[in-house]
Amino acid sequence: NAGVTQTPKFQVLKTGQSMTLQCAQDMNHEYMSWYRQDPGMGLRLIHYSVGAGITDQGEVPNGYNVSRSTTEDFPLRLLSAAPSQTSVYFCASSYSSQGGQPQHFGDGTRLSIL
Amino acid sequence: AQSVSQHNHHVILSEAASLELGCNYSYGGTVNLFWYVQYPGQHLQLLLKYFSGDPLVKGIKGFEAEFIKSKFSFNLRKPSVQWSDTAEYFCAVNPIDTDKLIFGTGTRLQVFP
Repeated sequence: NAGVTQTPKFQVLKTGQSMTLQCAQDMNHEYMSWYRQDPGMGLRLIHYSVGAGITDQGEVPNGYNVSRSTTEDFPLRLLSAAPSQTSVYFCASSYSSQGGQPQHFGDGTRLSIL
Repeated sequence: AQSVSQHNHHVILSEAASLELGCNYSYGGTVNLFWYVQYPGQHLQLLLKYFSGDPLVKGIKGFEAEFIKSKFSFNLRKPSVQWSDTAEYFCAVNPIDTDKLIFGTGTRLQVFP
């Protein structure tokens, strides 16, 4: 049982490049989400999904796309990387968004945009 | 907009000192409340949560938190901190009529021996 797996762990991009951050969980969790963590700003919700085929925007969705074709996977796509997207990205999952279910977090992806 | 405020950005304590970290949220409805901890170089882990019932909840490693509905607060406490408690602590709120978990900005705790 691997939990929440994020790849890659580190990535450097040039402005304008696109890339996909991968997130997979093996706990059969319905709810998955992406956060970015920046100094002094805590974690901010980018996008989330309550189940396969369903996604919605969080607090800071601009510049990012997501899809949820399977229960296990929830990739985050940067369409055209900008220096403001330099951050640490965390994927999280839980059985549900309701009922006080705790989130299980991945180890994060540290992304630098030059 | 819904928000979560953690007014203590950086707290420095000596071992055995008592700890209280503040958390306030701006949402009038029913909420689920969480405290997460992030040790240096690690991902976030659940410390404790309030879902319903007794407003005083106990978590791992001797931490507890009290939900005061009238004050929209969920403060974290520990009677005696240890060096190993050095970490960043995040309060999070899930309004039950949404699917969102909103985090505060975090409090960095440094405990010196």
